[in-house]
Amino acid sequence: NAGVTQTPKFQVLKTGQSMTLQCAQDMNHNSMYWYRQDPGMGLRLIYYSASEGTTDKGEVPNGYNVSRLNKREFSLRLESAAPSQTSVYFCASRPVPENQPQHFGDGTRLSIL
Amino acid sequence: GENVEQHPSTLSVQEGDSAVIKCTYSDSASNYFPWYKQELGKRPQLIIDIRSNVGEKKDQRIAVTLNKTAKHFSLHITETQPEDSAVYFCAEGGGTSYGKLTFGQGTILTVHP
Repeated sequence: NAGVTQTPKFQVLKTGQSMTLQCAQDMNHNSMYWYRQDPGMGLRLIYYSASEGTTDKGEVPNGYNVSRLNKREFSLRLESAAPSQTSVYFCASRPVPENQPQHFGDGTRLSIL
Repeated sequence: GENVEQHPSTLSVQEGDSAVIKCTYSDSASNYFPWYKQELGKRPQLIIDIRSNVGEKKDQRIAVTLNKTAKHFSLHITETQPEDSAVYFCAEGGGTSYGKLTFGQGTILTVHP
């Protein structure tokens, strides 16, 4: 099992460009999450999907959109990238039932010039 | 909304000493408290978690204590080793949060040989 797989691992964009970060999990988990990690800020939730077919905003959703394509895949889209979105992005997934740990992917390091 | 305060932000100890990291939270409905370790450039990985029906949990050199009345929980690492050097994050979740976690800001632990 690969666990949670994120692509790409690194990306450099110019301001205004768009891109989609991909995330897939092979653990049959119901819930999936997107975080961004900035120095000194911990992990902040961007969007999450409690189950297939549902998505909800987290703490910092502005400038992002998500798609829960199926149970395995949860993508994060930047429609018009801004330098403030330079960060490390982590995808995570979690099984049912409640109060189980989240499992993280290796992250995508995104720089916006 | 939910808030987690983590202290200290940096912690430096000698090999063999103990390290303690403390977190406080605001949501009285929270009932799940995981701790993650993140090495430089890597994904966060779960090291221990505790649920609100217990006050303490131990796994070899690592222990977590929970005081629900005071809304705080702590990570204790005994007999520290250089490989314990990393960033540690506390988090809280559960209740009606649909598996969402709110993370603390992180503690950079350095263990000097």
